[in-house]
Amino acid sequence: AQTVTQSQPEMSVQEAETVTLSCTYDTSENNYYLFWYKQPPSRQMILVIRQEAYKQQNATENRFSVNFQKAAKSFSLKISDSQLGDTAMYFCAANFGNEKLTFGTGTRLTIIP
Amino acid sequence: GAGVSQSPSNKVTEKGKDVELRCDPISGHTALYWYRQRLGQGLEFLIYFQGNSAPDKSGLPSDRFSAERTGESVSTLTIQRTQQEDSAVYLCASSPWEASQYFGPGTRLTVT
Repeated sequence: AQTVTQSQPEMSVQEAETVTLSCTYDTSENNYYLFWYKQPPSRQMILVIRQEAYKQQNATENRFSVNFQKAAKSFSLKISDSQLGDTAMYFCAANFGNEKLTFGTGTRLTIIP
Repeated sequence: GAGVSQSPSNKVTEKGKDVELRCDPISGHTALYWYRQRLGQGLEFLIYFQGNSAPDKSGLPSDRFSAERTGESVSTLTIQRTQQEDSAVYLCASSPWEASQYFGPGTRLTVT
């Protein structure tokens, strides 16, 4: 079975601190794509960052970076210098080569002023 | 440019009625996806279109659910004889060739 697991239902961190959200997955595929999406209360799903499995270099987008460990099937998201606007649900997702996205259950992140 | 749009934003319907949900993808995106998000949960895949054909309908929960797409344009998700368990946010996404999916704001469906 191809699955995505997020084991942290909720997290909170002080503004300006760094926070890491965890994600693990299971697949027998060798080529796939991994994503982090942000869903604020407006419910709009916003693509934060993506990682191609064939790339060893970890993806970065401004304050957002990932730690991709292919052998461990781990894909964590690090948010540096956290801001109040980062408060949202964060979903880890994967495209295991069958086009559709498989999602984790989400982590609710609260940035405390 | 314009993102993915969905209408209506909210829909309240009585149990047993049919509903149609609309998705306008980003212009030029060949792939289109429908997902369902129940309250407090992650997204469940429903159906995927490549152009106007649907190679993967495996997520449709029952034969009450169907979807169509006109060319590489608008898609409509139809739910017949709605049930209370159909209450959810229905999200549409579109994608160009490089695998990233871009989502619309969703339609919140409430079946009373």
